[in-house]
Amino acid sequence: GQQLNQSPQSMFIQEGEDVSMNCTSSSIFNTWLWYKQEPGEGPVLLIALYKAGELTSNGRLTAQFGITRKDSFLNISASIPSDVGIYFCAGLFNTNAGKSTFGDGTTLTVKP
Amino acid sequence: NAGVMQNPRHLVRRRGQEARLRCSPMKGHSHVYWYRQLPEEGLKFMVYLQKENIIDESGMPKERFSAEFPKEGPSILRIQQVVRGDSAAYFCASSPRRDPYEQYFGPGTRLTVT
Repeated sequence: GQQLNQSPQSMFIQEGEDVSMNCTSSSIFNTWLWYKQEPGEGPVLLIALYKAGELTSNGRLTAQFGITRKDSFLNISASIPSDVGIYFCAGLFNTNAGKSTFGDGTTLTVKP
Repeated sequence: NAGVMQNPRHLVRRRGQEARLRCSPMKGHSHVYWYRQLPEEGLKFMVYLQKENIIDESGMPKERFSAEFPKEGPSILRIQQVVRGDSAAYFCASSPRRDPYEQYFGPGTRLTVT
């Protein structure tokens, strides 16, 4: 089956620093999604990417769909304490009819 | 616009009992997905349903688990004869269309089997 490797597994950063995390896959995807999950809650969709090479921003967040369609990255600029949470990437391939494959998440801790 | 609703938020069952988890999709959404999340892991796809149809159940265990999304009412994930290994957070997501697969998640049901 499709596998996603998400790294790093965790990050401890100082408020104001920039953050970068990525996902790589053994197979191609047609859609990449980035989610944030806070304790006790469901994932919240941050950014959706639909085309290889696409670069999309949402406030301080920027995500890119890799040219090979096998990877994606998420950058957070000027981190703030409320950025704390677990960030998940998810990939979808059309023939899997909505079935998302999730990475294991990057846990972000921001020290004020 | 209300988001995806799941209930109960927490469910405790003894081994051998049945667990019923409910999911009401966002208004206007006709596609529902169920995922399971073990502690410190990502979400694992279980089943994808449209109204009165199971589209993809490739992630569902072959025994004890079933899902439905009736014409009226919420989607139900049913786990019969629960075992300790079923303890997890179960998330439901909904989307308004298959493409481009923007799935919006509910808050989850945390199942604990004692």
